[in-house]
Amino acid sequence: AQSVTQLGSHVSVSEGALVLLRCNYSSSVPPYLFWYVQYPNQGLQLLLKYTSAATLVKGINGFEAEFKKSETSFHLTKPSAHMSDAAEYFCAVKHRGGGNKLTFGTGTQLKVEL
Amino acid sequence: DGGITQSPKYLFRKEGQNVTLSCEQNLNHDAMYWYRQDPGQGLRLIYYSQIVNDFQKGDIAEGYSVSREKKESFPLTVTSAQKNPTAFYLCASTQVGTDNEQFFGPGTRLTVL
Repeated sequence: AQSVTQLGSHVSVSEGALVLLRCNYSSSVPPYLFWYVQYPNQGLQLLLKYTSAATLVKGINGFEAEFKKSETSFHLTKPSAHMSDAAEYFCAVKHRGGGNKLTFGTGTQLKVEL
Repeated sequence: DGGITQSPKYLFRKEGQNVTLSCEQNLNHDAMYWYRQDPGQGLRLIYYSQIVNDFQKGDIAEGYSVSREKKESFPLTVTSAQKNPTAFYLCASTQVGTDNEQFFGPGTRLTVL
């Protein structure tokens, strides 16, 4: 079964500092991986996705993620945090079987401090 | 604009009552999904449908029911059998395909009084 693990349910950074949100996956086949962002009381918005075309994926709002097969990781980064980045971030893996289903991690709440 | 709408945004119900959450999409997507979100638990799949008049149980289907009579609509009923229904409910849709992402609605927050 495919799964994702997000290390750190809460991450706090200073404005202008590097953002690093961790995601490790478990999959017996090459996965499709996604990062979503959720602002309070809203739905999820796609930040970026990995579909095997390139290991370094650039997304919206200056975020990027690198797929590392040897480490089974897909960590999300942003060079310089902005106050508007404060939100909850979810990593998800897509099942390659029927249903086009996603399995989500438990989320990481990012806090950005002045 | 294409997207997914959910209504109502906030919903209150008394214990023992059934309640139906609406989800509509105009993206012409084949597949639709219902998730439940609780603090610290991420999103858990309740039901999904890949085609009209067909749907499958997800990981936490007990106490819920759905229908898919139209491609654009996928309502979720929270029945009185659901022991702890207070949660944030999210609807999503996608075009069936290998690397397509799911698009999400704004959610409905259900509170049982």
